[in-house]
Amino acid sequence: AQSVTQLGSHVSVSEGALVLLRCNYSSSVPPYLFWYVQYPNQGLQLLLKYTSAATLVKGINGFEAEFKKSETSFHLTKPSAHMSDAAEYFCAVRSNNNDMRFGAGTRLTVKP
Amino acid sequence: DSGVTQTPKHLITATGQRVTLRCSPRSGDLSVYWYQQSLDQGLQFLIQYYNGEERAKGNILERFSAQQFPDLHSELNLSSLELGDSALYFCASSVSGRADEQFFGPGTRLTVL
Repeated sequence: AQSVTQLGSHVSVSEGALVLLRCNYSSSVPPYLFWYVQYPNQGLQLLLKYTSAATLVKGINGFEAEFKKSETSFHLTKPSAHMSDAAEYFCAVRSNNNDMRFGAGTRLTVKP
Repeated sequence: DSGVTQTPKHLITATGQRVTLRCSPRSGDLSVYWYQQSLDQGLQFLIQYYNGEERAKGNILERFSAQQFPDLHSELNLSSLELGDSALYFCASSVSGRADEQFFGPGTRLTVL
């Protein structure tokens, strides 16, 4: 069964620093992977998705993620953090059962 | 604004009661998904409907049921409510039947006292 694991429930960076949020997946078939962001008191918003076309996926707000099959990883990065990036980030995989399996989430804090 | 609407925004009720949450998908989207988000369980997929038919089922309790109407709006019915059902309930929609890019509504916060 497909699943994702997010390493680190809380990540704190300084404004302007690199953002790295880790996600590892488990899947017996080529996975469809997603990153979503949830701002306080809002629903989730899609940041980017991997559907086997290209291993480096660019998303909104300057985020990107690289699919590494050898490491079963799909880490999310952004070169320079902004205060507005503070939110909860969820990695997800689409299962064979056609449901979305979400990770536990990583709360990103950006310090001035 | 994702284009997905959910009502009500907040709901406070007592144990043993029954409530109905409503969701209107984005214009043109045929699939509706329901999720439960709580501190201890995280974000859990409950059920998906596609063009009026149930498409996929997740960790949905027997006390919960859903349906999608001909106009594509959906309702999630929660009955015999327990304290542990207190959570944020999200609806999402997508164009196709595949659980691909989903657009989430703002959620309904349910508090069971």
